[in-house]
Amino acid sequence: DQQVKQNSPSLSVQEGRISILNCDYTNSMFDYFLWYKKYPAEGPTFLISISSIKDKNEDGRFTVFLNKSAKHLSLHIVPSQPGDSAVYFCAASALRAAGNKLTFGGGTRVLVKP
Amino acid sequence: DTEVTQTPKHLVMGMTNKKSLKCEQHMGHRAMYWYKQKAKKPPELMFVYSYEKLSINESVPSRFSPECPNSSLLNLHLHALQPEDSALYLCASSQGSVGTAAYEQYFGPGTRLTVT
Repeated sequence: DQQVKQNSPSLSVQEGRISILNCDYTNSMFDYFLWYKKYPAEGPTFLISISSIKDKNEDGRFTVFLNKSAKHLSLHIVPSQPGDSAVYFCAASALRAAGNKLTFGGGTRVLVKP
Repeated sequence: DTEVTQTPKHLVMGMTNKKSLKCEQHMGHRAMYWYKQKAKKPPELMFVYSYEKLSINESVPSRFSPECPNSSLLNLHLHALQPEDSALYLCASSQGSVGTAAYEQYFGPGTRLTVT
């Protein structure tokens, strides 16, 4: 049973435009969410996180939105750059229940075209 | 410095071999993790060490044996593996892992393991 789902396996976007990646979760105990970026043959790189007490967190070109009632979060990248081409993983943890144990979504492959 | 290093980068081993994967971090993090990632799949947690003590074992087969000699080092000892254990093994660390405080995990580049 997948508790964290990324329903779009891939996304193609033009350089300079906005990339929107979506993530849905089912476990209502999740209270901390993270996005990671992964290049081939490298480990995931932490991008941005959000606590369930917030609905938005912004860091430079990256913004994460959380809709707790819909159990949905999204990552916006604007403007998209060719170097953003990678696989993006959404991850969640239930801090009160299980500490920092992460559950990952299946990933979305992003291709930014010049 | 947010670097986690892993050695070796690639490992090929037979089903009767014994080998070890190594992970090191010098960020003063007190929690370290082993993940397994198969192709086109997300990372799956295997073990968590918190303050050098094993705190989570995700029902991993005993042919995988973790060890945390000190707060900077994490090993994964491998013995009698199966071909289906071939995967990318990722190490991660974070400032902490227990309680309700949130900590980002920082990942190493991984060891690509092939079992023949």
